[in-house]
Amino acid sequence: DIQMTQSPASLSASVGDRVTITCRASQGISNYLAWFQQKPGKAPKSLIYAANSLQDGVPLRFRASGSGTDFTLTITSLQPEDFATYYCQQYKNYPHTFGQGTKLEI
Amino acid sequence: EVQLLESGGGLVQPGGSLRLSCAASGFTFSSYVMNWVRQAPGKGLEWVSTISGSGGDTYYAGSVKGRFTIFRDNSKNTLYLQINSLRAEDTAVYYCAKAWGSGNYWGQGTLVTVSS
Repeated sequence: DIQMTQSPASLSASVGDRVTITCRASQGISNYLAWFQQKPGKAPKSLIYAANSLQDGVPLRFRASGSGTDFTLTITSLQPEDFATYYCQQYKNYPHTFGQGTKLEI
Repeated sequence: EVQLLESGGGLVQPGGSLRLSCAASGFTFSSYVMNWVRQAPGKGLEWVSTISGSGGDTYYAGSVKGRFTIFRDNSKNTLYLQINSLRAEDTAVYYCAKAWGSGNYWGQGTLVTVSS
Protein backbone atom coordinates (compact mmCIF):
# COMPACT_ATOMS: atom_id res chain seq x y z
CA ASP A 1 0.00 0.00 0.00
CA ILE A 2 1.11 3.57 -0.62
CA GLN A 3 1.53 5.53 2.60
CA MET A 4 0.74 9.24 2.61
CA THR A 5 2.51 11.33 5.23
CA GLN A 6 1.40 14.88 5.92
CA SER A 7 3.27 17.50 7.86
CA PRO A 8 2.78 19.22 10.11
CA ALA A 9 0.03 17.42 12.01
CA SER A 10 -1.18 20.75 13.32
CA LEU A 11 -0.43 24.34 12.56
CA SER A 12 -1.27 27.60 14.26
CA ALA A 13 -1.58 30.70 12.13
CA SER A 14 -3.29 34.04 11.91
CA VAL A 15 -5.62 35.67 9.43
CA GLY A 16 -3.53 37.01 6.58
CA ASP A 17 -0.71 34.49 7.02
CA ARG A 18 0.67 32.28 4.30
CA VAL A 19 0.84 28.59 5.24
CA THR A 20 2.15 25.49 3.53
CA ILE A 21 1.20 21.87 4.17
CA THR A 22 3.28 19.06 2.75
CA CYS A 23 2.32 15.54 1.73
CA ARG A 24 4.77 12.79 0.88
CA ALA A 25 3.92 9.52 -0.81
CA SER A 26 5.88 6.38 -0.01
CA GLN A 27 6.24 5.71 -3.73
CA GLY A 28 5.70 7.70 -6.89
CA ILE A 29 2.09 8.57 -7.69
CA SER A 30 2.66 10.90 -10.66
CA ASN A 31 0.03 13.62 -10.20
CA TYR A 32 -2.78 11.44 -8.81
CA LEU A 33 -3.06 13.57 -5.71
CA ALA A 34 -6.04 15.39 -4.23
CA TRP A 35 -6.45 17.82 -1.35
CA PHE A 36 -9.57 18.08 0.80
CA GLN A 37 -10.75 20.54 3.42
CA GLN A 38 -12.95 19.42 6.31
CA LYS A 39 -14.63 21.57 8.91
CA PRO A 40 -15.97 20.11 12.18
CA GLY A 41 -19.17 18.15 11.71
CA LYS A 42 -19.11 18.62 7.94
CA ALA A 43 -18.29 16.45 4.96
CA PRO A 44 -14.92 16.90 3.29
CA LYS A 45 -14.78 19.30 0.39
CA SER A 46 -12.49 18.81 -2.58
CA LEU A 47 -10.07 21.67 -3.18
CA ILE A 48 -7.47 20.29 -5.57
CA TYR A 49 -7.24 17.38 -7.99
CA ALA A 50 -4.43 16.15 -10.23
CA ALA A 51 -1.93 17.66 -7.80
CA ASN A 52 -2.38 21.26 -8.86
CA SER A 53 -5.82 21.78 -10.44
CA LEU A 54 -8.33 23.87 -8.52
CA GLN A 55 -11.88 22.62 -8.26
CA ASP A 56 -14.49 25.03 -9.58
CA GLY A 57 -15.37 27.67 -7.03
CA VAL A 58 -12.28 27.21 -4.88
CA PRO A 59 -10.59 30.55 -4.14
CA LEU A 60 -7.34 31.30 -5.92
CA ARG A 61 -5.53 31.71 -2.60
CA PHE A 62 -5.34 27.90 -2.55
CA ARG A 63 -2.32 26.76 -4.55
CA ALA A 64 -0.90 23.30 -4.90
CA SER A 65 2.08 21.75 -6.56
CA GLY A 66 4.15 18.61 -6.78
CA SER A 67 4.57 15.41 -8.67
CA GLY A 68 5.96 11.99 -7.95
CA THR A 69 6.31 11.74 -4.18
CA ASP A 70 6.36 15.29 -2.81
CA PHE A 71 3.41 17.66 -2.81
CA THR A 72 2.45 20.95 -1.20
CA LEU A 73 -0.72 22.88 -0.51
CA THR A 74 -0.24 26.58 0.12
CA ILE A 75 -2.87 28.98 1.34
CA THR A 76 -1.89 32.55 0.73
CA SER A 77 -3.46 35.19 2.96
CA LEU A 78 -5.48 32.97 5.32
CA GLN A 79 -9.12 33.84 5.76
CA PRO A 80 -11.24 32.99 8.84
CA GLU A 81 -13.13 30.32 6.89
CA ASP A 82 -9.88 28.50 6.05
CA PHE A 83 -9.34 27.20 9.56
CA ALA A 84 -10.09 23.52 9.16
CA THR A 85 -8.42 20.14 8.74
CA TYR A 86 -6.76 19.36 5.42
CA TYR A 87 -6.16 15.92 3.95
CA CYS A 88 -4.18 14.73 0.98
CA GLN A 89 -5.13 11.55 -0.87
CA GLN A 90 -3.49 9.47 -3.56
CA TYR A 91 -5.68 7.84 -6.17
CA LYS A 92 -2.97 6.28 -8.29
CA ASN A 93 -3.20 2.80 -6.78
CA TYR A 94 -5.70 0.93 -4.65
CA PRO A 95 -6.18 1.36 -1.73
CA HIS A 96 -6.70 5.07 -2.28
CA THR A 97 -4.96 6.18 0.88
CA PHE A 98 -5.35 9.46 2.74
CA GLY A 99 -2.82 11.36 4.76
CA GLN A 100 -3.46 11.63 8.49
CA GLY A 101 -4.61 15.22 8.22
CA THR A 102 -3.29 18.67 9.15
CA LYS A 103 -5.34 20.74 11.57
CA LEU A 104 -5.02 24.43 10.86
CA GLU A 105 -5.90 26.48 13.92
CA ILE A 106 -6.07 30.11 14.72
CA GLU B 1 -26.58 20.79 -8.82
CA VAL B 2 -24.90 17.60 -7.66
CA GLN B 3 -26.55 16.01 -4.64
CA LEU B 4 -25.58 12.86 -2.77
CA LEU B 5 -27.81 11.75 0.08
CA GLU B 6 -26.70 8.86 2.26
CA SER B 7 -29.07 6.84 4.41
CA GLY B 8 -29.26 3.54 6.22
CA GLY B 9 -26.95 4.15 9.14
CA GLY B 10 -27.84 3.36 12.71
CA LEU B 11 -27.01 1.38 15.82
CA VAL B 12 -26.23 -2.26 15.22
CA GLN B 13 -24.84 -5.03 17.40
CA PRO B 14 -21.47 -6.61 16.69
CA GLY B 15 -21.86 -9.25 14.01
CA GLY B 16 -24.87 -7.50 12.55
CA SER B 17 -25.51 -6.10 9.09
CA LEU B 18 -26.62 -2.87 7.47
CA ARG B 19 -27.17 -1.62 3.97
CA LEU B 20 -26.18 1.95 3.29
CA SER B 21 -27.62 3.86 0.36
CA CYS B 22 -26.49 6.95 -1.49
CA ALA B 23 -29.08 8.61 -3.71
CA ALA B 24 -27.46 10.69 -6.43
CA SER B 25 -28.84 13.50 -8.56
CA GLY B 26 -27.61 16.36 -10.70
CA PHE B 27 -25.25 14.34 -12.88
CA THR B 28 -25.24 11.32 -15.17
CA PHE B 29 -24.78 8.75 -12.43
CA SER B 30 -23.89 5.79 -14.62
CA SER B 31 -20.96 7.67 -16.14
CA TYR B 32 -19.07 8.05 -12.90
CA VAL B 33 -16.99 5.94 -10.59
CA MET B 34 -18.35 6.17 -7.05
CA ASN B 35 -16.64 5.73 -3.72
CA TRP B 36 -17.31 5.08 -0.05
CA VAL B 37 -15.07 6.68 2.55
CA ARG B 38 -15.48 6.46 6.31
CA GLN B 39 -14.34 8.44 9.31
CA ALA B 40 -14.26 7.01 12.80
CA PRO B 41 -15.10 9.45 15.62
CA GLY B 42 -12.26 11.93 16.03
CA LYS B 43 -10.13 10.19 13.41
CA GLY B 44 -9.04 10.79 9.84
CA LEU B 45 -10.50 9.70 6.53
CA GLU B 46 -10.31 6.07 5.42
CA TRP B 47 -11.06 4.97 1.86
CA VAL B 48 -13.40 1.97 1.95
CA SER B 49 -14.45 1.00 -1.56
CA THR B 50 -14.82 2.08 -5.19
CA ILE B 51 -17.07 0.89 -8.01
CA SER B 52 -16.89 1.61 -11.72
CA GLY B 53 -19.69 3.33 -13.58
CA SER B 54 -21.05 0.08 -14.95
CA GLY B 55 -20.67 -1.68 -11.63
CA GLY B 56 -18.47 -4.31 -13.17
CA ASP B 57 -15.30 -3.39 -11.28
CA THR B 58 -15.09 -3.09 -7.53
CA TYR B 59 -12.25 -2.43 -5.11
CA TYR B 60 -12.04 -2.70 -1.32
CA ALA B 61 -9.83 -1.72 1.57
CA GLY B 62 -8.17 -4.68 3.20
CA SER B 63 -9.96 -3.95 6.47
CA VAL B 64 -13.39 -4.54 4.90
CA LYS B 65 -12.74 -7.03 2.11
CA GLY B 66 -14.97 -10.05 2.42
CA ARG B 67 -17.39 -8.26 4.76
CA PHE B 68 -18.48 -5.23 2.72
CA THR B 69 -20.01 -5.25 -0.76
CA ILE B 70 -20.34 -2.17 -2.95
CA PHE B 71 -22.92 -2.16 -5.72
CA ARG B 72 -25.06 0.26 -7.65
CA ASP B 73 -28.40 0.49 -9.41
CA ASN B 74 -27.94 2.90 -12.29
CA SER B 75 -31.66 2.80 -13.08
CA LYS B 76 -32.29 4.27 -9.63
CA ASN B 77 -29.20 6.51 -9.50
CA THR B 78 -28.30 4.87 -6.22
CA LEU B 79 -25.07 3.55 -4.74
CA TYR B 80 -25.09 0.95 -1.99
CA LEU B 81 -22.76 -0.51 0.60
CA GLN B 82 -23.77 -3.78 2.18
CA ILE B 83 -21.88 -4.16 5.42
CA ASN B 84 -21.85 -7.51 7.21
CA SER B 85 -20.13 -9.01 10.24
CA LEU B 86 -19.87 -5.59 11.79
CA ARG B 87 -17.18 -4.89 14.36
CA ALA B 88 -16.76 -2.10 16.88
CA GLU B 89 -13.98 -0.66 14.73
CA ASP B 90 -16.45 -0.18 11.86
CA THR B 91 -18.13 2.59 13.88
CA ALA B 92 -17.82 5.67 11.70
CA VAL B 93 -19.55 8.20 9.52
CA TYR B 94 -19.78 6.71 6.04
CA TYR B 95 -19.59 9.11 3.12
CA CYS B 96 -20.30 8.45 -0.51
CA ALA B 97 -18.22 10.48 -2.95
CA LYS B 98 -18.44 11.10 -6.67
CA ALA B 99 -15.35 10.25 -8.65
CA TRP B 100 -11.98 11.64 -7.67
CA GLY B 101 -10.80 14.36 -10.00
CA SER B 102 -12.66 17.28 -11.49
CA GLY B 103 -16.10 17.71 -9.97
CA ASN B 104 -15.49 15.49 -6.95
CA TYR B 105 -18.34 15.83 -4.48
CA TRP B 106 -19.20 14.23 -1.14
CA GLY B 107 -22.48 13.51 0.58
CA GLN B 108 -23.13 14.54 4.16
CA GLY B 109 -22.59 11.05 5.53
CA THR B 110 -24.51 8.51 7.58
CA LEU B 111 -23.41 7.34 11.02
CA VAL B 112 -22.95 3.65 11.73
CA THR B 113 -22.51 2.73 15.38
CA VAL B 114 -21.56 -0.83 16.29
CA SER B 115 -22.22 -1.54 19.93
CA SER B 116 -23.94 -4.06 22.15
